[in-house]
Amino acid sequence: GEDVEQSLFLSVREGDSSVINCTYTDSSSTYLYWYKQEPGAGLQLLTYIFSNMDMKQDQRLTVLLNKKDKHLSLRIADTQTGDSAIYFCAERNSGYALNFGKGTSLLVTP
Amino acid sequence: GAVVSQHPSRVICKSGTSVKIECRSLDFQATTMFWYRQFPKQSLMLMATSNEGSKATYEQGVEKDKFLINHASLTLSTLTVTSAHPEDSSFYICSAQNDRGHSGANVLTFGAGSRLTVL
Repeated sequence: GEDVEQSLFLSVREGDSSVINCTYTDSSSTYLYWYKQEPGAGLQLLTYIFSNMDMKQDQRLTVLLNKKDKHLSLRIADTQTGDSAIYFCAERNSGYALNFGKGTSLLVTP
Repeated sequence: GAVVSQHPSRVICKSGTSVKIECRSLDFQATTMFWYRQFPKQSLMLMATSNEGSKATYEQGVEKDKFLINHASLTLSTLTVTSAHPEDSSFYICSAQNDRGHSGANVLTFGAGSRLTVL
């Protein structure tokens, strides 16, 4: 987790967009991932992006990748209260396991 | 979609006893599974890589004799916490590698986690 950095907390109002940022260190990572964790639960894959892509959009989710700066972001459009959770950025290591950031706790207020 | 079942979801045990946690891939075969540990408000720390039919690969600092991993079939890996102590209390999460439908993205599907409390 030390190689992947995320801000720890983000608060937005319902209906606004949320942007969660992440920096990683392994330039050889071929895939980067975003997972969502609700309280007391496991991790749910939200989306992933291949390293030769700059952007990927999937419904309300948009992932931006700046490979030069090793910066990844997740934008959630029209954020809902059900989006409140912890969001983890992850890079895949050489052994195919994932290295996770510490997670960003997203709070959506009415 | 791919489902990973983890059992038990919660377990409370006395210090000195052993606890087994099971991780099953329900609709796909997983030659490789990963065990993670998560402390409150912390990230997931990789403990070990479980390989079907061979010994697990442990991360630095993880005691292999304390955390026994067995991957006897393509759909089941078990983690046994031996002689548990209060400091072993944590949230343990398993994951299995599933490429189906993801074009080589090596997507990991996670179990729901097991909350271990050692008294």
